[in-house]
Formats: sequence, C-alpha cells, structure tokens
Amino acid sequence: RKEVEQDPGPFNVPEGATVAFNCTYSNSASQSFFWYRQDCRKEPKLLMSVYSSGNEDGRFTAQLNRASQYISLLIRDSKLSDSATYLCVVGFPGTASKLTFGTGTRLQVTL
Amino acid sequence: DTEVTQTPKHLVMGMTNKKSLKCEQHMGHRAMYWYKQKAKKPPELMFVYSYEKLSINESVPSRFSPECPNSSLLNLHLHALQPEDSALYLCASSQSPVSNQPQHFGDGTRLSIL
Repeated sequence: RKEVEQDPGPFNVPEGATVAFNCTYSNSASQSFFWYRQDCRKEPKLLMSVYSSGNEDGRFTAQLNRASQYISLLIRDSKLSDSATYLCVVGFPGTASKLTFGTGTRLQVTL
Repeated sequence: DTEVTQTPKHLVMGMTNKKSLKCEQHMGHRAMYWYKQKAKKPPELMFVYSYEKLSINESVPSRFSPECPNSSLLNLHLHALQPEDSALYLCASSQSPVSNQPQHFGDGTRLSIL
C-alpha cells in the first residue's frame, strides 16, 4: 500500500462547479498534512495546511479525518485558473522534516 | 514570485561535464531540501540540510554532491550524470526541520543530460 494515495484523475469540471479530492495515508502516526498545487512544468506551491478542526481559505476547504486516515480538499465555484495538479502531502513524526507526496490529482476546469 | 531562488532555470550538459545548481532563500529558514521530479510524478526527496548540516541523504548516487555554504545557500554539484538524471530539480526550504512545517519551493532547474 502506498504511503499517500490519491485518485490521479483527471477531473474535468465546468466553471462554477464544486469539486472534491480525497487522499488517504497509511501511517496513523502522521502529524502534518498539506495540500499543494502544481501547474504544468512549474514548482509545487503550498495551497493550505490541513488542521484537525478543518480549515477554509476562500473557495477552498480542507478536512482531516484521523480515524479514517483521510484528507479532503473541496473547491467551490471552480475557476479556469484552478486547473492544476493537486498534491496531498503528509509529514511523519520523527523523520526530521521528511514529507511524503501523493502522486497528485489532475483538475481541468473548462468553460 | 517565489521566495526561494534557483539558478540556472535550464541546464543542458554532457555526461562528462561538471556543473552546479544553486538555491538561495532569505526567509531565515533553517532547513533546506533538494528534490528530483520526473514528468507526471511527485517530487522525490534527495537531501535535507538542517542548520547547515546534512541530515538526510535518500541513498542518492555520489554523482550528486550537495553543499550548504551558509544558512541561505544550498548547492548541488553534478558530475558524470546519466541520461536518466534528466529531470526538474527543486530546492525547498522550511522554517525549521520538523515535519509539521510546510516547505516552500523554488521554481526549479530543468536539467537535460545528453
């Protein structure tokens, strides 16, 4: 089983749609969780950290379910500029800042 | 604009060449990283520097040699690379070397080995 698993997609959605991505992780002792976005041939950029209580940043909402070892990202009112690959990233304790990346979920927002 | 600066943006080199990739950050971060990313794959960690000391080497071949001259700079020296080493090389930094800190990436060096 992979340490961090994501549906690779692609998710093709029209502008204005709501889309949700899921991610599961295998190590129950994982401590930190992030969503990054990566545009084609660009570097990953931090979208948001994910907290136990869930957190929201504008149109983006992240949720963490520790019992199910599951992280989600919800994007409301999708824009064309949201088209990118979304990487689920997990930090494991005791590994001195080693983060593990999921393989990413590709989102394509269309007119 | 990224706060982690990498140079060069693109590099083409032969298998016998020696070159260096450079990374700089002025955010006062004390952990710096090198990653390798192939097309349609996630970044793979290569090295971690914590307070200017190498703390993680992910079994990277010796043809890749990292160096951290000071807390703001990170280099990756390349020698006798193979065609399969062609990839995007990403530098990142984080405030401190603990796993709950997000990492901030530079825009990478796209390396091609002839």
